[in-house]
Amino acid sequence: DAKTTQPPSMDCAEGRAANLPCNHSTISGNEYVYWYRQIHSQGPQYIIHGLKNNETNEMASLIITEDRKSSTLILPHATLRDTAVYYCIVRATDSWGKLQFGAGTQVVVTP
Amino acid sequence: NAGVTQTPKFQVLKTGQSMTLQCAQDMNHEYMSWYRQDPGMGLRLIHYSVGAGITDQGEVPNGYNVSRSTTEDFPLRLLSAAPSQTSVYFCASTDRGDTQYFGPGTRLTVL
Repeated sequence: DAKTTQPPSMDCAEGRAANLPCNHSTISGNEYVYWYRQIHSQGPQYIIHGLKNNETNEMASLIITEDRKSSTLILPHATLRDTAVYYCIVRATDSWGKLQFGAGTQVVVTP
Repeated sequence: NAGVTQTPKFQVLKTGQSMTLQCAQDMNHEYMSWYRQDPGMGLRLIHYSVGAGITDQGEVPNGYNVSRSTTEDFPLRLLSAAPSQTSVYFCASTDRGDTQYFGPGTRLTVL
């Protein structure tokens, strides 16, 4: 079973921030939180990752709680092109090439 | 760079037929993986490789074989296709960095 829990779906208005929650209550000290997204059955695309500090890049921000049991991906200004399935994944430091996907959150951005 | 390429894009097989799904990457990545994605579900790891000559099983390896004779190529073989293997297959590669790069997928139907 996947190590993360996400809501199955959420809607977001174009131009507004989208806040995607993820629970990973059994995360270990050497495990990172990764976010990928999959647009319309294309191959998944990396968004961002973090260990315990908040992270930001050109695509999104990642907020990880102090106890590391949950996190939130923030898309600051959602566009129609952000409509996708978003996957929150926990990955151990040395498990390159092995990602364990759950069902993800289907995000629909509406005009 | 072409990134990760997969061929064919679509394939229809009859039960019992065999075939090979091709995957190649031109980024000199050590790690390569095969995933399958069934409708409405996340990706599941079939097999992965940590370098030329080294492969290991993932979550759902039954019915599939892999080999890694070069860094660039990682073919996936279906020995005797079954309807349960109808799925979308994604190949991915990564180095010891943070991003796993996915190919565009092969859509396989087994009748």
